[in-house]
Order: sequence, then structure tokens, then C-alpha cells
Amino acid sequence: GENVEQHPSTLSVQEGDSAVIKCTYSDSASNYFPWYKQELGKGPQLIIDIRSNVGEKKDQRIAVTLNKTAKHFSLHITETQPEDSAVYFCAASRYGQNFVFGPGTRLSVLP
Amino acid sequence: DSGVTQTPKHLITATGQRVTLRCSPRSGDLSVYWYQQSLDQGLQFLIHYYNGEERAKGNILERFSAQQFPDLHSELNLSSLELGDSALYFCASTTGGANYGYTFGSGTRLTVV
Repeated sequence: GENVEQHPSTLSVQEGDSAVIKCTYSDSASNYFPWYKQELGKGPQLIIDIRSNVGEKKDQRIAVTLNKTAKHFSLHITETQPEDSAVYFCAASRYGQNFVFGPGTRLSVLP
Repeated sequence: DSGVTQTPKHLITATGQRVTLRCSPRSGDLSVYWYQQSLDQGLQFLIHYYNGEERAKGNILERFSAQQFPDLHSELNLSSLELGDSALYFCASTTGGANYGYTFGSGTRLTVV
């Protein structure tokens, strides 16, 4: 079955700096890769996603890149703000079915 | 408000007991997924229902069961509870079509004492 690894497990950055979180997956048939943000006491919220026919997707300060050959994808957050502090999860799936999530990255943005 | 409603928000119960967690998906969503999140752990897939039918099982214990009713709400039943079952339980819904993204509810925090 699919296995998703995520690094780093914790990440601290200064406000205004960039943050990068990386994930690798094992199932070459996976074709949908979402990223979720979970704030304390809340459910995960979809922030960006990418499908296997696209190499990069951007939405304001966040972007995701996908390397299908290497089976890895990354989340990039630029100009970080304190409200970006949260736990971020990547996931992989085939056609949006039965997401397998990575273990999460706790991001702290220091003022 | 995500549109996915989970009740109750908090539940405290004793070992050996049985509880039922409820999830109402977003209007129009046919798929419901259940996930377990233990303290400082990731999201572990439990089970998936689509339009009333079980579609996939993940790491769900035999003591746990679920169903999806004709009105599309879903219930997760946890029995013979153990201390290790204490966790956040999330449901997520999706239309099941070309829009792949899950919408999560705010979760039920279960504490077994």
C-alpha cells in the first residue's frame, strides 16, 4: 500500500522567511496530492492540492511542486506570518480515494 | 464552519463502554471517511462509505464499526473501549466526483478513563 513520509517533523522560521516541507510517496499510481493545515483544536483544512499532470501550482503565498519521477512533492510558504503557525499534513491518493497522510510538520513562525 | 458536522465535540467515558460518534457530511457529498488522530500522531484512515455502502477499510479495529444511513449521515461505533482508544476522531466528506478534496469536520475528542 501507499506510504507517505514527511520532513521535517518540526520547523521554526522567523516571520517573513520562507518555509519548505517535503513529502515522498511510494505508490507510483498515486495522482492526487493535497496539503492540509490543522490549527489547534480544529479539523484539517485543505490549503492547496496538485494533480499528477501538473508540476507546480501556486496560490498567493503558498505553492506546491511535484516531481513524479522522484515521487516527491513539496509545500512552499513565502513571507511567513504568525498565523501560518500550525501542523501541516501532506497526503497522497489515487483519484481522491482513501488519502494516506504523512505524519505532519509542526510549523512555528516566530515574530 | 466547514459544512461537515460532528457530534458530540467531547466525550468522556469509562473503559469497557460503547460510544457512538456522528457525522453529517456537507450537503451533496456522498462519501464519508473516518480518521483517527492520537496525541501527536498523524491521521490514520479507518473506513470509507460511499452512498451507504462500505468502500474501503483501513486500520480499523474489530471493536469498531461504522455505517452510513440513507440520509448520508454516518455513525462510528466504538465498543469495549480501552485507554488507548482516546483520540480525536474526524470525519471528512467529499462529492466522490472530480473534486477530490476532503472537507473535514471539527472532530470528536474521545477520552477513555
